[in-house]
Amino acid sequence: AQSVSQHNHHVILSEAASLELGCNYSYGGTVNLFWYVQYPGQHLQLLLKYFSGDPLVKGIKGFEAEFIKSKFSFNLRKPSVQWSDTAEYFCAVNAWPGGKLIFGQGTELSVKP
Amino acid sequence: NAGVTQTPKFQVLKTGQSMTLQCAQDMNHEYMSWYRQDPGMGLRLIHYSVGAGITDQGEVPNGYNVSRSTTEDFPLRLLSAAPSQTSVYFCASNQLSGSSGNEQFFGPGTRLTVL
Repeated sequence: AQSVSQHNHHVILSEAASLELGCNYSYGGTVNLFWYVQYPGQHLQLLLKYFSGDPLVKGIKGFEAEFIKSKFSFNLRKPSVQWSDTAEYFCAVNAWPGGKLIFGQGTELSVKP
Repeated sequence: NAGVTQTPKFQVLKTGQSMTLQCAQDMNHEYMSWYRQDPGMGLRLIHYSVGAGITDQGEVPNGYNVSRSTTEDFPLRLLSAAPSQTSVYFCASNQLSGSSGNEQFFGPGTRLTVL
């Protein structure tokens, strides 16, 4: 069965620090990969997605992620975080074809001003 | 487009009561799903549907029923509420094919408390 693992449960950074959140998945076939963000009190919003092509994908608000197929990983990065990036981040994987989306446990990011 | 809408936003139930959480989407998406979000556990899939008349179980289906009589609506029914069902519930929808792939669009959530 598919599963998604996010390595960090809670990350605390100061503003301007660099961010990398780990995500690994288990599935041997073709996958679509997503990072969602949930700001306090809000619903999930898509940060970025990978379907095919360039394994380095860029999303909104300066976020990017790299798909490394050999490592079954899809890590999220941002060179310089801001206080407004404080949120919970979810990695999700969908095995193609089909619609089921499996989420990781989430990583809570706290950015100190 | 309104996207994905959910009602109610908040609900308090007593143990044993039943209720239906409503979900609707106006994007003509084939796929709809229900998740529950609990601290430290991410989002867990309860039930999903790939089209009208077709539903299937996700990771945590016990205690919940769904039906899909139209493309737009996908209600979630709690048969006999239990405190363990206290959670935030999200409905989502997506196309099964096309350029957007399986990007899911989420509703604003329903915060349910069972006493």
